[in-house]
Amino acid sequence: AQSVTQLGSHVSVSEGALVLLRCNYSSSVPPYLFWYVQYPNQGLQLLLKYTTGATLVKGINGFEAEFKKSETSFHLTKPSAHMSDAAEYFCAVSPTSGSRLTFGEGTQLTVNP
Amino acid sequence: GAVVSQHPSWVICKSGTSVKIECRSLDFQATTMFWYRQFPKQSLMLMATSNEGSKATYEQGVEKDKFLINHASLTLSTLTVTSAHPEDSSFYICSAVRTGSGRTEAFFGQGTRLTVV
Repeated sequence: AQSVTQLGSHVSVSEGALVLLRCNYSSSVPPYLFWYVQYPNQGLQLLLKYTTGATLVKGINGFEAEFKKSETSFHLTKPSAHMSDAAEYFCAVSPTSGSRLTFGEGTQLTVNP
Repeated sequence: GAVVSQHPSWVICKSGTSVKIECRSLDFQATTMFWYRQFPKQSLMLMATSNEGSKATYEQGVEKDKFLINHASLTLSTLTVTSAHPEDSSFYICSAVRTGSGRTEAFFGQGTRLTVV
């Protein structure tokens, strides 16, 4: 079984500040890890994913995440927040690429001017 | 990237009626599609796995007779909410799995907002 925990249902940062969204997972097999962004009343857009190989993954819009097996974490970061980053972010895990996803509860990111 | 289209984007229906939601993979074939449901301010929960040419696999607690899934072709899966009630109001999102060139990847539709009045 797999599960995902996102610490902090709401995160608020100032424009230009560092964004850090936390994600911890539980998996009995080597996980595939994903971060998605969702804007109101829209579907999910893939930000980045970890499958194998390099543990630091770079995604779109300046986001990146680091897979830390010892900490069972996959935190999402962005050096400088933009107003357009305000959205809901979901961390997800799956046992293989393209299989069912188990999502975390989501983190609502607010960016203050 | 691959395109997955859901239709309609939003729908309002009366209690007791049925609503059909379509999920199409526009530029690839998908033998597997997933249907998720998202209640307001909550995460996405898998409802069922749709496999082309065979019966869908439902998650525990999801009524298969209420949420009818048909995956009759490699580019189309439909979810029909039968005898809808207000508690079925939710955001329904599908994803389609593309396999090829040694890679397997899931792509999401834009979602369907269902409101039952």
